[in-house]
Amino acid sequence: QQQVKQSPQSLIVQKGGISIINCAYENTAFDYFPWYQQFPGKGPALLIAIRPDVSEKKEGRFTISFNKSAKQFSLHIMDSQPGDSATYFCAARQDAGGTSYGKLTFGQGTILTVHP
Amino acid sequence: EPEVTQTPSHQVTQMGQEVILRCVPISNHLYFYWYRQILGQKVEFLVSFYNNEISEKSEIFDDQFSVERPDGSNFTLKIRSTKLEDSAMYFCASRVGLPFFGPGTRLTVL
Repeated sequence: QQQVKQSPQSLIVQKGGISIINCAYENTAFDYFPWYQQFPGKGPALLIAIRPDVSEKKEGRFTISFNKSAKQFSLHIMDSQPGDSATYFCAARQDAGGTSYGKLTFGQGTILTVHP
Repeated sequence: EPEVTQTPSHQVTQMGQEVILRCVPISNHLYFYWYRQILGQKVEFLVSFYNNEISEKSEIFDDQFSVERPDGSNFTLKIRSTKLEDSAMYFCASRVGLPFFGPGTRLTVL
């Protein structure tokens, strides 16, 4: 119930294409759903995040779609660029105001490669 | 822009030795965390720290691990007797809203 399942494991996209990464969760105590971008040898960097009462959030070329009834959310990267090549992790924050103090549960990660 | 910093960037140690990983969280943050990432795997929660005490810990965070905030700026993770399987990237994070992560310390246990 604590897991966040992420797919695909790896993704290859041509420059200018759309990258789509999907995540699913079970625990209804999750209260915030961020996406992190990680380059090799670096820490995860917050990319975009959504609360479960919102169905979509867009920031530049990055969009999160959220389906609360299906317990699924996805990251769409429009006009993908070679500089977007990185590992992307979805995550779910647990109950920041309660007993879990906002810990994150991460998905397995998706290695995105954008070819020029 | 404020950031979480970690030292050292790479630590090599012998099995059974003690290591201390250091972090300086963002100054106005109240919640502090350690996560780890074994090579090629997902990021895993280790421990959260709030109001000068551990608020939650995972099953990974056994008696060999401890955390401390010795002063107003540093946050440390100590592993008392390292094992081979402790080899991983260790990330410190701090937050007001969502966590910001440091660049990590790569721990290699030989």
